[in-house]
Amino acid sequence: GDSVTQMEGPVTLSEEAFLTINCTYTATGYPSLFWYVQYPGEGLQLLLKATKADDKGSNKGFEATYRKETTSFHLEKGSVQVSDSAVYFCALLSQGAQKLVFGQGTRLTINP
Amino acid sequence: ETGVTQTPRHLVMGMTNKKSLKCEQHLGHNAMYWYKQSAKKPLELMFVYNFKEQTENNSVPSRFSPECPNSSHLFLHLHTLQPEDSALYLCASSQGQIISGNTIYFGEGSWLTVV
Repeated sequence: GDSVTQMEGPVTLSEEAFLTINCTYTATGYPSLFWYVQYPGEGLQLLLKATKADDKGSNKGFEATYRKETTSFHLEKGSVQVSDSAVYFCALLSQGAQKLVFGQGTRLTINP
Repeated sequence: ETGVTQTPRHLVMGMTNKKSLKCEQHLGHNAMYWYKQSAKKPLELMFVYNFKEQTENNSVPSRFSPECPNSSHLFLHLHTLQPEDSALYLCASSQGQIISGNTIYFGEGSWLTVV
C-alpha cells in the first residue's frame, strides 16, 4: 500500500540555520504531495503542496520539490526562526483516493 | 482559527465509561473526517463522511462509534476503551472530496486519556 517515510526527529537547530526534513514515499501512479505543520496546541495546517512531478510548492519561506525519480518531497527553508518550531507532517494523496496518507511527523525545535 | 472546532479539548475517561467527542465545522463543507494521532506513529484515518453518509471505515474497532447528524457536525462516541486508545483525535473537513484537490482543514484536536 501507499506509505510515507519521514526523517526521525526530534530535530533541533539554531535560529537562522538551514533546514531540511526528508520525506520519501511509495505509491502507485502519480500522487499529490503535501506538507502539513502542527504548531503547539493546534491542529494541522496545510503548509504547501505539489500535484505533479517537478512542481515546487512554497509558503512562508519553506519549499519542497516533487521528485518523481527519487520519490521524494524534502522540505527546506534557508533560515529558520523560533516561530517555526512545530511538528511537520509529509503526506500523499493517491490518484482516485479519498484519504491522505501521512508520515509519522518530525518535531522541529529552533533555539534562539 | 481554522473553522473546525472540537470539544472537549481534553478528556480523561475510565475503561468502563461512555463519552463523546464533538466536532463542528463553520466552513460550509460537506465532507468530514476523524483521524487518530498517536505518539511517533503516522496519522491514521478512522472515518470519512460525505453529505452525512459514511464512506469509509478504516477497520476501526466498534468501541469507536461515529455519528454525523448533518454536514456541519460529527461525533465520535467512545465506550469501553483501552489505555492504548489514548491519543489525540483530530477532526477535519473539506469542501467536496479531497481527490478533487480540495484542501482539508483540521481542528485543534481532542486529547483523550484512558485510565
